[in-house]
Amino acid sequence: KQEVTQIPAALSVPEGENLVLNCSFTDSAIYNLQWFRQDPGKGLTSLLLIQSSQREQTSGRLNASLDKSSGRSTLYIAASQPGDSATYLCAALVYGQNFVFGPGTRLSVLP
Amino acid sequence: NAGVTQTPKFQVLKTGQSMTLQCAQDMNHEYMSWYRQDPGMGLRLIHYSVGAGITDQGEVPNGYNVSRSTTEDFPLRLLSAAPSQTSVYFCASSYDHREGNSPLHFGNGTRLTVT
Repeated sequence: KQEVTQIPAALSVPEGENLVLNCSFTDSAIYNLQWFRQDPGKGLTSLLLIQSSQREQTSGRLNASLDKSSGRSTLYIAASQPGDSATYLCAALVYGQNFVFGPGTRLSVLP
Repeated sequence: NAGVTQTPKFQVLKTGQSMTLQCAQDMNHEYMSWYRQDPGMGLRLIHYSVGAGITDQGEVPNGYNVSRSTTEDFPLRLLSAAPSQTSVYFCASSYDHREGNSPLHFGNGTRLTVT
């Protein structure tokens, strides 16, 4: 059964720092790996989707990479801003199954 | 486009009452699903559907029923609410969950309290 973990569970950084969020999965048989953002009291918003055949995707200050062989994905946030404060979740879409979510990393960017 | 719309936003039920959480999407998505989100447990899949007339169980289906009579709607029914069903419920959809390039879209959730 696919398991998805995220490290760290929480992160607090000063504004302007570059930071990396980590996502690990146990089964490399995936269609894709998605990163989501969740603001308090809200639903999840899709940030980036990396297909199984891809190595990375970029959107603005966000860059996500995927290494299926090691079962890892990283989300890189450049020049962090207070508006980036949220919980970030990754999810793997597993062959023959459904999306499996990690527990999330709670990010606080301090002004 | 409205995307994925969930109603109601908040609901309080007494133990044993029944209710239906509504979910509608206007993106012609084949795949729809229901999750519950609890502190320390993350997002857990309740039921999902890969098209009208087709539903299947997820990780935590007990106490919940679903049906999919149209592509747009995927209601979640609680037949006899229990305090253990106190949670935040999310509906999500994608064009085709078997395709690698189809992002998952979420509604804003329903916060349910069972007393």
